[in-house]
Amino acid sequence: EAGVAQSPRYKIIEKRQSVAFWCNPISGHATLYWYQQILGQGPKLLIQFQNNGVVDDSQLPKDRFSAERLKGVDSTLKIQPAKLEDSAVYLCASSLSGQALNYGYTFGSGTRLTVV
Amino acid sequence: AQRVTQPEKLLSVFKGAPVELKCNYSYSGSPELFWYVQYSRQRLQLLLRHISRESIKGFTADLNKGETSFHLKKPFAQEEDSAMYYCALFNAGNMLTFGGGTRLMVKP
Repeated sequence: EAGVAQSPRYKIIEKRQSVAFWCNPISGHATLYWYQQILGQGPKLLIQFQNNGVVDDSQLPKDRFSAERLKGVDSTLKIQPAKLEDSAVYLCASSLSGQALNYGYTFGSGTRLTVV
Repeated sequence: AQRVTQPEKLLSVFKGAPVELKCNYSYSGSPELFWYVQYSRQRLQLLLRHISRESIKGFTADLNKGETSFHLKKPFAQEEDSAMYYCALFNAGNMLTFGGGTRLMVKP
């Protein structure tokens, strides 16, 4: 099966600019997650979707971050405006609905964002 | 609140030596734990799950509820085991909380 696809792989922007990341999960995976991984740290959950609905976005900095999954398949994560501390790898993951405990998540390759 | 702690940022061993990557957790519910691995230039991938009690690539992990630990062990390390290892806790909301990771370096 095809894996979780993410684009772009790398992005360099200046602070105060905006940026968007795209994720296409594995076909049939209803649950989609966005994680932020700052260098030297473990991944931190930003938002979880179930189909096109948000399950948990309690750790998403909503003043500058937004995410959507309009048709319950692809998802985009946006940052506007970016700050230096947003420099990180942004990981997308997906899982079968109700099966994350049995099979875990499948992760994409991530987008490495550098804010200068 | 739930938390996963991996006290060692780096663990360096020689090939053939035993390996133990430490993981401690705090969680008020019944814990379900995972180990994920990230090899150089590859994606984060599932290594093993507490629920399945499996051994993958010679690695095992036992949940110790008394010590709130889920340490990853392998009796004889191989060079290809060099990677970043992350312990993760799965909560009732179907979300994984990760530890900070441990880099394992296996020297020849």
